Amino acid sequence: QQQVKQSPQSLIVQKGGISIINCAYENTAFDYFPWYQQFPGKGPALLIAIRPDVSEKKEGRFTISFNKSAKQFSLHIMDSQPGDSATYFCAASGRGSTLGRLYFGRGTQLTVWP
Amino acid sequence: EPEVTQTPSHQVTQMGQEVILRCVPISNHLYFYWYRQILGQKVEFLVSFYNNEISEKSEIFDDQFSVERPDGSNFTLKIRSTKLEDSAMYFCASSEFAGPEQYFGPGTRLTVT
Repeated sequence: QQQVKQSPQSLIVQKGGISIINCAYENTAFDYFPWYQQFPGKGPALLIAIRPDVSEKKEGRFTISFNKSAKQFSLHIMDSQPGDSATYFCAASGRGSTLGRLYFGRGTQLTVWP
Repeated sequence: EPEVTQTPSHQVTQMGQEVILRCVPISNHLYFYWYRQILGQKVEFLVSFYNNEISEKSEIFDDQFSVERPDGSNFTLKIRSTKLEDSAMYFCASSEFAGPEQYFGPGTRLTVT
């Protein structure tokens, strides 16, 4: 059972463009939605996260948009840079998990061309 | 900036052998986790650990797996009798508070031949 579905699998964006990655979830008990960034040979690094009491959260060039009724959330990377080229994972966690077990999406490999 | 460290970075073992993967969580963190990522697939939760006890484990974490905090700094994952399908990247994570804000180590690539 896929708790979190992520798309697209890969994304190519020109420098300065907007990268958009989408995720959808099924479990209405989820109440925390982080995005992780992973560079080759490294572990996932927490990038930005949102809780469902807000519809949007922005940190620098990174924005999460959250649609509770549709059970969807997305990551927008504004002014994408070659250094943003990495794999991005959405994840979810929620009530019923004592210590915040994370359910990950399958990942999106982002390539930003200079 | 404090970070989670893991050793070794790559471990090759033969099927049926035991392996121990080691992690040093961030020093003031109290909650510890293991995840794995089979090549090309998503990151999957294995187990969470707090106060010297397993708090939650997934269906993947069967009797061949065990975790331990042998001292005040290390957190280990033992796989008793490795199988080919155990080949994966294993990530340790830790968090300061109970909850999902977890910080991941660089991973150990386990190759079972």
